[in-house]
Amino acid sequence: KAGVTQTPRYLIKTRGQQVTLSCSPISGHRSVSWYQQTPGQGLQFLFEYFSETQRNKGNFPGRFSGRQFSNSRSEMNVSTLELGDSALYLCASSLERFYEQYFGPGTRLTVT
Amino acid sequence: QKEVEQNSGPLSVPEGAIASLNCTYSDRVSQSFFWYRQYSGKSPELIMSIYSNGDKEDGRFTAQLNKASQYVSLLIRDSQPSDSATYLCAAMDSNYQLIWGAGTKLIIKP
Repeated sequence: KAGVTQTPRYLIKTRGQQVTLSCSPISGHRSVSWYQQTPGQGLQFLFEYFSETQRNKGNFPGRFSGRQFSNSRSEMNVSTLELGDSALYLCASSLERFYEQYFGPGTRLTVT
Repeated sequence: QKEVEQNSGPLSVPEGAIASLNCTYSDRVSQSFFWYRQYSGKSPELIMSIYSNGDKEDGRFTAQLNKASQYVSLLIRDSQPSDSATYLCAAMDSNYQLIWGAGTKLIIKP
């Protein structure tokens, strides 16, 4: 079974721009969670989607948004990028909401 | 008190010895518990999940859960240099959200 895939793997953007990251979960997995990881802050939860609905949301500003499609693929969007948004963005999928999460390789975003 | 706490380390263990990693948690996160391994520059990789009190073994790894004392631990037997990584403990709350510890950096010395 293929693992979680994320595209793109690397991205360089300029402050003020917006970015969209994509995540394809493991086949059959219905829950997708997004995390931001920086050296100083560790893993920070962004949001979780299940059945195309946002079920949980972390403490991030409204510039961070996401959605899930009927095939469980998910996207997250960051508008008006700031330098502090530079991080590794990780997507994780699970079969159901209460099962183990499996991570994709991540998208490394650099904002200049 | 943080909801999930881990000693940040680094924890240095000689090759071939047992590495013991610990995690404590608060009342709010008491559903399911997970251990992940993360190599530098890579994404977290699931090692083991544990849901009930007691021990759970998988190869060289043993997870231990003690709900009365609110701690979960991970033992790595016959530690290898390839086990050098950051180990993340996570606990699921009643909303099915994973709450993460800050991670313990483990160094296995040859």
